Amino acid sequence: NAGVMQNPRHLVRRRGQEARLRCSPMKGHSHVYWYRQLPEEGLKFMVYLQKENIIDESGMPKERFSAEFPKEGPSILRIQQVVRGDSAAYFCASRTGVGGYEQYFGPGTRLTVT
Amino acid sequence: AQSVTQPDIHITVSEGASLELRCNYSYGATPYLFWYVQSPGQGLQLLLKYFSGDTLVQGIKGFEAEFKRSQSSFNLRKPSVHWSDAAEYFCAVGASASGSARQLTFGSGTQLTVLP
Repeated sequence: NAGVMQNPRHLVRRRGQEARLRCSPMKGHSHVYWYRQLPEEGLKFMVYLQKENIIDESGMPKERFSAEFPKEGPSILRIQQVVRGDSAAYFCASRTGVGGYEQYFGPGTRLTVT
Repeated sequence: AQSVTQPDIHITVSEGASLELRCNYSYGATPYLFWYVQSPGQGLQLLLKYFSGDTLVQGIKGFEAEFKRSQSSFNLRKPSVHWSDAAEYFCAVGASASGSARQLTFGSGTQLTVLP
């Protein structure tokens, strides 16, 4: 059973460009979470999605950030017009929707904004 | 709102010695509690979890943790540390709304160094 997959593992963008981060949850998992890890701030929740629905986006910055989890395909975290402060590790986690509360994390995408 | 405190930023132990990493949480109801481990440049691996029932839970790699409601603690222990245990350890509490688990709130992490 493959784990949570994220790609790319490393992404370099210039200021003002767009970044697209992809996450494929574990097989059978219908709940996806995105977290951001900043050096001085630790791991912070961003958004929680189920298929075709955003359940909780209370941790998402109000501007430039968006997330989706379509019926088919991976979940996407999109950052428009990136700035240096967006440089961080972005982790996706997934869990089953039936009784399981533990989240399983992907290897992360390291975003560097130059 | 829930919060997690890991009071020790960095701990150093000798290989073969016992280990205890501290975690205190703040949460209004019975929490879902987790310990994760992260090696450099890697994702987080789940070590163990507590939802209910027996307050001493066993995890992978020989780790265990004890839930103490009276102290709002969920400390991680290992009787004999191996060099491969060197990593950063995160305690997390899972928010629960309407009976369903939501996002995790993480502590700031404890970096473990193991001396040969």
